[in-house]
Amino acid sequence: DTGVSQDPRHKITKRGQNVTFRCDPISEHNRLYWYRQTLGQGPEFLTYFQNEAQLEKSRLLSDRFSAERPKGSFSTLEIQRTEQGDSAMYLCASSPKRGSWGWIEQYFGPGTRLTVT
Amino acid sequence: ELKVEQNPLFLSMQEGKNYTIYCNYSTTSDRLYWYRQDPGKSLESLFVLLSNGAVKQEGRLMASLDTKARLSTLHITAAVHDLSATYFCAVDGSTGTASKLTFGTGTRLQVTL
Repeated sequence: DTGVSQDPRHKITKRGQNVTFRCDPISEHNRLYWYRQTLGQGPEFLTYFQNEAQLEKSRLLSDRFSAERPKGSFSTLEIQRTEQGDSAMYLCASSPKRGSWGWIEQYFGPGTRLTVT
Repeated sequence: ELKVEQNPLFLSMQEGKNYTIYCNYSTTSDRLYWYRQDPGKSLESLFVLLSNGAVKQEGRLMASLDTKARLSTLHITAAVHDLSATYFCAVDGSTGTASKLTFGTGTRLQVTL
């Protein structure tokens, strides 16, 4: 059973460039979450999908950010015109539905560390 | 807006000692999570607490939840060096079934010999 995978693990980019990250959830987990973690802080929720539908976006997700999950499997997170403040670890998590309990467990991937210079 | 506070933020403790990390949150929730994070690594799930009075134990760690007080504790018994890491509590503050987590700022635990 493979866990959540993310690619790339590290990305260094220059300010103003676009970047795209990929997340592959655990098979058959129909929910997928994106979080952002800056140094010394806890992760912050960005957005989540149920199958291919994006159900909620945080106010943290500015117009420069877009996320997709086109076939309800892998997801991509794109940041356009990167800024130094975008430097962070971007974490993906997937979650299975546990009957009447709903989605109670989130399994996190290794993260993509973005550095904007 | 849901706020989650942990204390202490940093804890240096000797091997063999006991200590407790506290997690307070600001709005009603009956779902609380504890995660461990090693430097440069992702989050490892430790406990999922789903009801008032829930208590779970794994090895030297025990977590409890008091939803009325909006408080969870993570108790460490006879600490060993391998427990050195940052510990986060997270609360599901969703009103529906979104299950989006709000994390505390973390407690960095350092266990010394």
